Amino acid sequence: DIQLTQSPSSLSASVGDRVAITCRASQNINIYLNWYRQRSGKAPELLIYAASAVHSGVPSRFSGSGSGTDFTLTITGLQPEDFATYYCQQSDRDVSFGQGTRLEIK
Amino acid sequence: QLQLQESGPGLVKPSETLSLTCTVSGDSISRSFYWGWVRQSPGKGLEWVGDIYYSGTLRYNSSISSRVAISMDTSTNQFSLKLNSVTAADTAVYYCVRPRRITIFGVVVFPYDSWGPGIRVTVSS
Repeated sequence: DIQLTQSPSSLSASVGDRVAITCRASQNINIYLNWYRQRSGKAPELLIYAASAVHSGVPSRFSGSGSGTDFTLTITGLQPEDFATYYCQQSDRDVSFGQGTRLEIK
Repeated sequence: QLQLQESGPGLVKPSETLSLTCTVSGDSISRSFYWGWVRQSPGKGLEWVGDIYYSGTLRYNSSISSRVAISMDTSTNQFSLKLNSVTAADTAVYYCVRPRRITIFGVVVFPYDSWGPGIRVTVSS
């Protein structure tokens, strides 16, 4: 099974800040890596697919990069609705998720 | 617009079978390649349960593969999840999902672009 490790597990930031979350895969997954945001009590929402493609309707402050084993989600100019938990997901071999990164207001 | 809605009992007794249905509206279930299930235990992260390909091919999380079955019914535009011999560890919010087929950068990917709102299932006597 492919393991995904996100870092940090949690972070604090302020509205307007730029933050980056990383996701490391236990083996090469090419670009089969997606990112989701989950607001409290809600279903996850797709943000980024294929490592760097922004899903339709997602604000341009979200961007993704990486390939192989190392990936990054960057949010430039945090908005109040971005304080949530973020998950990476791989679909190269079956499906698995990272453990999540909780983004809190400082 | 595609919409997914989970339904089923919110309480299941230990050792019994958890049965959930996802009703798809806004499109035919036959038009998508995959349909799947994800769960989230209280206060925990997301866990892939499994999925069903339009051809009938099934994939399950190896940690529960001996207890799970996913099926689809094109006549009712629904797909279903059954998990037997449940324990308290199966208590979770269960989401049905639609992995959308996208070709980009020379590869075919299936990100989960549609999710149901989730259904909370508690395993308890």
